[in-house]
Amino acid sequence: QQQVKQSPQSLIVQKGGISIINCAYENTAFDYFPWYQQFPGKGPALLIAIRPDVSEKKEGRFTISFNKSAKQFSLHIMDSQPGDSATYFCAATPGGNKLTFGTGTQLKVEL
Amino acid sequence: EPEVTQTPSHQVTQMGQEVILRCVPISNHLYFYWYRQILGQKVEFLVSFYNNEISEKSEIFDDQFSVERPDGSNFTLKIRSTKLEDSAMYFCASSETGWETQYFGPGTRLLVL
Repeated sequence: QQQVKQSPQSLIVQKGGISIINCAYENTAFDYFPWYQQFPGKGPALLIAIRPDVSEKKEGRFTISFNKSAKQFSLHIMDSQPGDSATYFCAATPGGNKLTFGTGTQLKVEL
Repeated sequence: EPEVTQTPSHQVTQMGQEVILRCVPISNHLYFYWYRQILGQKVEFLVSFYNNEISEKSEIFDDQFSVERPDGSNFTLKIRSTKLEDSAMYFCASSETGWETQYFGPGTRLLVL
């Protein structure tokens, strides 16, 4: 019940395209859902986060869509760029404290 | 911009040896965490620490692990007797409120031979 399932495992997108990564959870106590971006050899860096009281949050080219009834949330990267090539992790936490991470998505944006 | 720092960046040790991984959290943060990431796998929670005590730990965090805040700036993870399966990247994180954003350090890559 603590798991966060993430898909796809890897994703190749053309420059300028839309990258979509999906996550699903079961624990209804989760109330904060961040997305982290990780470059090789670096620590995860917070990209964008959402609480379940809103269905969408947008910051620049990055948008989180949240479906509370389906217990699913997704990251959309608009106008994907080669510099977006990284591993993306969704995560969830019940009221802060420990983060439960998804399994990660390796995104490659090709020219 | 303030950041979490970790030392060393890489550590190689022999099985059975003790290692101490060091972290300097962001200065006004009160909540501290250790996570690990085995190569190619997801990031896993180890322990959270607040007000000089452990607030939560995972099943991975057994008696071989301990954490300490020896002074006002450092936060350490000690592995008493390392095993081969402890080889991983260890990330320290800190949070101001404990409710939202956790900021991660660059990690220490531990290799146990």
